[in-house]
Amino acid sequence: QQPVQSPQAVILREGEDAVINCSSSKALYSVHWYRQKHGEAPVFLMILLKGGEQKGHEKISASFNEKKQQSSLYLTASQLSYSGTYFCAPYYGGSQGNLIFGKGTKLSVKP
Amino acid sequence: DSGVTQTPKHLITATGQRVTLRCSPRSGDLSVYWYQQSLDQGLQFLIQYYNGEERAKGNILERFSAQQFPDLHSELNLSSLELGDSALYFCASSARPQMGTDTQYFGPGTRLTVL
Repeated sequence: QQPVQSPQAVILREGEDAVINCSSSKALYSVHWYRQKHGEAPVFLMILLKGGEQKGHEKISASFNEKKQQSSLYLTASQLSYSGTYFCAPYYGGSQGNLIFGKGTKLSVKP
Repeated sequence: DSGVTQTPKHLITATGQRVTLRCSPRSGDLSVYWYQQSLDQGLQFLIQYYNGEERAKGNILERFSAQQFPDLHSELNLSSLELGDSALYFCASSARPQMGTDTQYFGPGTRLTVL
């Protein structure tokens, strides 16, 4: 039940916006978002719980559509520091009681 | 710096050998998680311990085992190593046992190379 992330890669200029989508084939209890820079550890961005809750982190926000079983990450006015690979990690609960990471979306922000 | 420490940073060994990876969680965190990250499999959850007890199990091979000690540090033991075990191994920690709602903080990782 690995989630599907799209796009796989995106190149932005500084100041541009981007949306990263994460779709699941089954009902989600929560969705976690992480960013990983090359050679470094994943860094926590936010958790969204079912109920359509939207959370924000600096200029990065996200939404969770329980009905559509998907989450989206919004990056506005991107900065060079936003470059990295973004992972969504749904939590399904029950017998799948662990985070299942997507394959990631590689974001490159150019000056 | 997440506050999670892992040693060693790099490990090079031969097939058939056994290695131990060590992790110290953030101060106050009771949960420890182990993940494997490889190019073909991505980031995969292996196992979680909470306050010394196994809490959740993922795609952990039988050749791998882990434990969490009374001082809350954790060790991941990998035995009968194969070439395919070469990967980055991350440890993460969180305050509570509920994986779905708790923030996980990742350590810097141990890069294992099996020759």
